[in-house]
Amino acid sequence: GQSLEQPSEVTAVEGAIVQINCTYQTSGFYGLSWYQQHDGGAPTFLSYNGLDGLEETGRFSSFLSRSDSYGYLLLQELQMKDSASYFCAVSSPLYNQGGKLIFGQGTELSVKP
Amino acid sequence: DTGVSQDPRHKITKRGQNVTFRCDPISEHNRLYWYRQTLGQGPEFLTYFQNEAQLEKSRLLSDRFSAERPKGSFSTLEIQRTEQGDSAMYLCASSFTGTQGYTFGSGTRLTVV
Repeated sequence: GQSLEQPSEVTAVEGAIVQINCTYQTSGFYGLSWYQQHDGGAPTFLSYNGLDGLEETGRFSSFLSRSDSYGYLLLQELQMKDSASYFCAVSSPLYNQGGKLIFGQGTELSVKP
Repeated sequence: DTGVSQDPRHKITKRGQNVTFRCDPISEHNRLYWYRQTLGQGPEFLTYFQNEAQLEKSRLLSDRFSAERPKGSFSTLEIQRTEQGDSAMYLCASSFTGTQGYTFGSGTRLTVV
């Protein structure tokens, strides 16, 4: 089977840095993805880690440690518009050559002024 | 490229009725996915197509659910004899083999009364 764990809620202030953790258990592993979803909106792709280490995209970075089955999303210089739900998702060679994603339950980030 | 389109955006139906949703993926994308999302949860995998072939269907899906992707372009998801537990947001996503990240549509919100 497979499972992902991430905190249900995180609160931070504007301008701060926040880290959202994700631990996973899966049989076989291709990579860890992160998605952002605003209330009533569609999930949007943020980043993908297939190898250990840090991937940086503007204010957002994502990290993966395959040996620890752990990853995180780091958001810097938080803005009010970053208030949203963030989902980690795993892909596995067992899931149609990596095509299918299994999502975590999401972390609701609230950014306060 | 207008992204992934889903129709309708909202559907209210009486219990026992059949409903059908449509998804138009990004034209160059060969993979198409259907997910279901309930409030406070991550997207839950329903089924997956590569071109016109349906490669996987979730065991969570009862026989009341069926999906098609004729000619490998748009897809339809039909729910027969709807139940109140079917009330959810139905998300469609598409991707291209070898690339990371899905593009999600805005979803169809189904309410069964």
